[in-house]
Amino acid sequence: QVQLQESGPGLVKPSETLSLTCTVSGGSISSYYWSWIRQPPGKGLEWIGYIYYSGSTNYNPSLKSRVTISVDTSKNQFSLKLTSVTAADTAVYYCARLGDYSVKDWGQGTLVTVSS
Amino acid sequence: EIVLTQSPGTLSLSPGERATLSCRASQSVSSSYLAWYKQKPGQAPRLLIYGASSRATGIPDRFSGSGSGTDFTLTISRLEPEDFAVYYCQQYGTSPPGLTFGGGTKVEI
Repeated sequence: QVQLQESGPGLVKPSETLSLTCTVSGGSISSYYWSWIRQPPGKGLEWIGYIYYSGSTNYNPSLKSRVTISVDTSKNQFSLKLTSVTAADTAVYYCARLGDYSVKDWGQGTLVTVSS
Repeated sequence: EIVLTQSPGTLSLSPGERATLSCRASQSVSSSYLAWYKQKPGQAPRLLIYGASSRATGIPDRFSGSGSGTDFTLTISRLEPEDFAVYYCQQYGTSPPGLTFGGGTKVEI
């Protein structure tokens, strides 16, 4: 079982870019699919997108125009960038490992607040 | 895009009772692509069931999943105090590819 840890700013201003990194330990990133999922306070889960270690990606159509997920195999990390954020992007952001068409392992989550 | 509807929104039960949670899809879902999660306050979700009926590593056998097509069920045979939480179903779609979650069912005392 791998461990995942999110890192990045907890506060982002409206219209700016949200950037988060997920560090994978206890296993190699060079297999499996890796994903970002978010959860607004008091609400349900929303899938943002996933990336394969080779770099191929798929994004939630509702966020696709603002999202980029990338991978750095040398650092065993993958990253999320979400542009032009608004208050609606305030959420706990989870990084995760996919397998068997499900989310096998989750990071602890990091709260990102969008506010001036 | 497939929409997952979970019912009931809240289930009020006592320890030792049986819990039956429903997840209905707007279109047929392959059983291989249906999963269930448990989330306690302040914690990340945890995978319970994948492939509609396969228990994840370390999940006790009081949790079971069943169903096919558009109707799936998570059953907790005898509720333990630690089972009171929010439960989500999730499906993997192929067109477009990606994950979709249901709105959740809260199991409360």
